[in-house]
Amino acid sequence: DTGVSQNPRHKITKRGQNVTFRCDPISEHNRLYWYRQTLGQGPEFLTYFQNEAQLEKSRLLSDRFSAERPKGSFSTLEIQRTEQGDSAMYLCASSARLAGDEQFFGPGTRLTVL
Amino acid sequence: SQKIEQNSEALNIQEGKTATLTCNYTNYSPAYLQWYRQDPGRGPVFLLLIRENEKEKRKERLKVTFDTTLKQSLFHITASQPADSATYLCALDEGNTGFQKLVFGTGTRLLVSP
Repeated sequence: DTGVSQNPRHKITKRGQNVTFRCDPISEHNRLYWYRQTLGQGPEFLTYFQNEAQLEKSRLLSDRFSAERPKGSFSTLEIQRTEQGDSAMYLCASSARLAGDEQFFGPGTRLTVL
Repeated sequence: SQKIEQNSEALNIQEGKTATLTCNYTNYSPAYLQWYRQDPGRGPVFLLLIRENEKEKRKERLKVTFDTTLKQSLFHITASQPADSATYLCALDEGNTGFQKLVFGTGTRLLVSP
């Protein structure tokens, strides 16, 4: 399967714990996006990478959230000191060109914070 | 404020009929608009993109219109099938960011009955 993959698919954690998610984009895609989606809502933009550079972060991304894409390939999203409000689906997407091109989404990581 | 609105109520139709979904936006001037399909527990899948200078676009049983005066896009599925049951999301580029920063509507759930 050469699509976008995300791991883990599900994560249950206790409030206050740290969690890390991984995204492997389509190999030739240099653009990578993270979104968060809650029930009944559309995906909300969190952050954008072009190659290894993080070029944009949403104000939704508090100081507890950090994302990296160290070699311009896979990316990780870490949430420190998780809160119940962090419970959501975290989606990763990648694309190859700048404007107008489709984004290819992964299956998402569903986070539940108890 | 900027808003993208889709009918939050589910649309129930019978197999074979045409489904029409609406996407309205305010305080955006998008160069293009995209439609995605999302199945439960999965990431969105790109369907169609329509540019501001295009009135209509078709792909197999799908048709999208884009009226920049009304600030509205309509998404049609002709000869609908139960397999078309899913949530359909519209998305547009927030603009002025230098990259494709998509803003999604809340999505409309379509249920096609046999």
